[in-house]
Amino acid sequence: ETGVTQSPTHLIKTRGQQVTLRCSSQSGHNTVSWYQQALGQGPQFIFQYYREEENGRGNFPPRFSGLQFPNYSSELNVNALELDDSALYLCASSLGQANEKLFFGSGTQLSVL
Amino acid sequence: SQQGEEDPQALSIQEGENATMNCSYKTSINNLQWYRQNSGRGLVHLILIRSNEREKHSGRLRVTLDTSKKSSSLLITASRAADTASYFCATDARGAQKLVFGQGTRLTINP
Repeated sequence: ETGVTQSPTHLIKTRGQQVTLRCSSQSGHNTVSWYQQALGQGPQFIFQYYREEENGRGNFPPRFSGLQFPNYSSELNVNALELDDSALYLCASSLGQANEKLFFGSGTQLSVL
Repeated sequence: SQQGEEDPQALSIQEGENATMNCSYKTSINNLQWYRQNSGRGLVHLILIRSNEREKHSGRLRVTLDTSKKSSSLLITASRAADTASYFCATDARGAQKLVFGQGTRLTINP
């Protein structure tokens, strides 16, 4: 068990809606990374936040946005949901900007109908 | 896009046998990491090997890295039913602000 918690665990939305996913990082960690994992695939990097600033972004459209708060918890927002957004969304926390040993939450399973 | 490619995509062995998974990547790296994922849940970090290291051990895990061939292997010795999971390699490429994961190997240990 890591100290990273994600909510909600499951979510069903319809196409065009907006969704907010939340992540509480492990105590002492100041970096949060978000990944999208489609069924049967490896996680794809969405973006990373370090000390409340975006610190890298993957190949995702601007309708994927995020925030990191002063307590280092984080949100992932997705606007104008599309069917292909259905996936497991994983949050991972770590210490510092070096990508060494990420601690993952259990994920949010998003279904877009 | 995926940086790492794992081979095989799926592996089924008997309990007690050794399991070997391979990972190939494309660019220069700072380190390479292996993670395990049970039933589509969160990933768990297993081991990290740096670009200047060739081999590393942790319990029943042995990882090798060949930077000239841009490849790594993960060996699990004396496998157990609890080792059934998907295993992913992830590379920390130089100049990149992210870990890039491969598509994974699905390992099944038969009792």
